[in-house]
Amino acid sequence: EPEVTQTPSHQVTQMGQEVILRCVPISNHLYFYWYRQILGQKVEFLVSFYNNEISEKSEIFDDQFSVERPDGSNFTLKIRSTKLEDSAMYFCASREGQGWGTEAFFGQGTRLTVV
Amino acid sequence: DAKTTQPTSMDCAEGRAANLPCNHSTISGNEYVYWYRQIHSQGPQYIIHGLKNNETNEMASLIITEDRKSSTLILPHATLRDTAVYYCIVRVANRNRDDKIIFGKGTRLHILP
Repeated sequence: EPEVTQTPSHQVTQMGQEVILRCVPISNHLYFYWYRQILGQKVEFLVSFYNNEISEKSEIFDDQFSVERPDGSNFTLKIRSTKLEDSAMYFCASREGQGWGTEAFFGQGTRLTVV
Repeated sequence: DAKTTQPTSMDCAEGRAANLPCNHSTISGNEYVYWYRQIHSQGPQYIIHGLKNNETNEMASLIITEDRKSSTLILPHATLRDTAVYYCIVRVANRNRDDKIIFGKGTRLHILP
């Protein structure tokens, strides 16, 4: 069964460093998303991406964040200068989008720890 | 914010049917009801969705009331592996519009041995 793959599973970085979280969405999917979940809290929407551009972003997704789909397969989330409060699980998701009511599939997440 | 109301937690005995309720009284005519679950910090897992008819798949059944203001997710024979947080979500989803999934706090389901 096709799945969304995220790497690495766990990333530890020092405050102020840049990190790139990587995702390989399901191959025929058209919509891509990043979410985060701070320990013990809700899963929060960060950004959606369609047709090679951001379609929507949340207040959390400020200038320190960016997304890219550089080669038609990978979908990346970059945090330019990490802060302690960026420590969270980051989930990538993708959706086929061909028709009504299509579901989104999530990866297993990257645990980001900022020290 | 999430447009649904769910109980904070529920218990269910292993082998019994788990019935998880959800209220969505402000649902619009073009919004679907989706259910996802999250098993202990794993990525959310799609379970089922429906518009107005009852739906069944290999994981669960979804019963939507006639007025569409509430629904129930049924896990017919719950196992310990079904222990998770279950999210009921309403959203529009079609080819020409991208409606993000907004997660609420969900229902924490404990399956008891």
